[in-house]
Amino acid sequence: DGGITQSPKYLFRKEGQNVTLSCEQNLNHDAMYWYRQDPGQGLRLIYYSQIVNDFQKGDIAEGYSVSREKKESFPLTVTSAQKNPTAFYLCASSPGGWSYEQYFGPGTRLTVT
Amino acid sequence: AQSVTQLGSHVSVSEGALVLLRCNYSSSVPPYLFWYVQYPNQGLQLLLKYTSAATLVKGINGFEAEFKKSETSFHLTKPSAHMSDAAEYFCAVSSYGNKLVFGAGTILRVKS
Repeated sequence: DGGITQSPKYLFRKEGQNVTLSCEQNLNHDAMYWYRQDPGQGLRLIYYSQIVNDFQKGDIAEGYSVSREKKESFPLTVTSAQKNPTAFYLCASSPGGWSYEQYFGPGTRLTVT
Repeated sequence: AQSVTQLGSHVSVSEGALVLLRCNYSSSVPPYLFWYVQYPNQGLQLLLKYTSAATLVKGINGFEAEFKKSETSFHLTKPSAHMSDAAEYFCAVSSYGNKLVFGAGTILRVKS
């Protein structure tokens, strides 16, 4: 079955630690995205990549980093510089540009204490 | 800049009643419009999308939406609500070269 996998489903970290969230897709999509979801705020774009070895900052990139070394993988690192990292993180992919629908993974809920 | 406004953070309907979730958008260029559904602690699933082919768009699970340019609206409807429709619904807008922007979401509650 084609789709997007995110792991783990739940992640707990202590303040001051970096943490990496995994996102893998087998849809052969060129574009991948990371969103952050907080209650009542919809989804906010963190980073996106429209092609391998290239990525751009979204609206709330501060305190986050990404890499896109393979077409199917787009890991997100939440660094200790992110002031409020506790949130639900969603990864998505699409065949191409912004006019295409995005397909979402099941999400990772990160709790930092 | 594009934006999306979803009127009503919470909507409650009885089972079998009409579902109407409102979405208004702002875009200076022809928009692409999407409705997504999210069940608790899950990712988003595409319900339907408008890409200028037809103003009335039919989606999955009996949902449909009508694009009204004059009103800058893209409201989501379903003739008869089912208990399984209880979820959060997101409207989103993009356009050629412009990133996808989501509304704040509407939580739909279905009463038995």
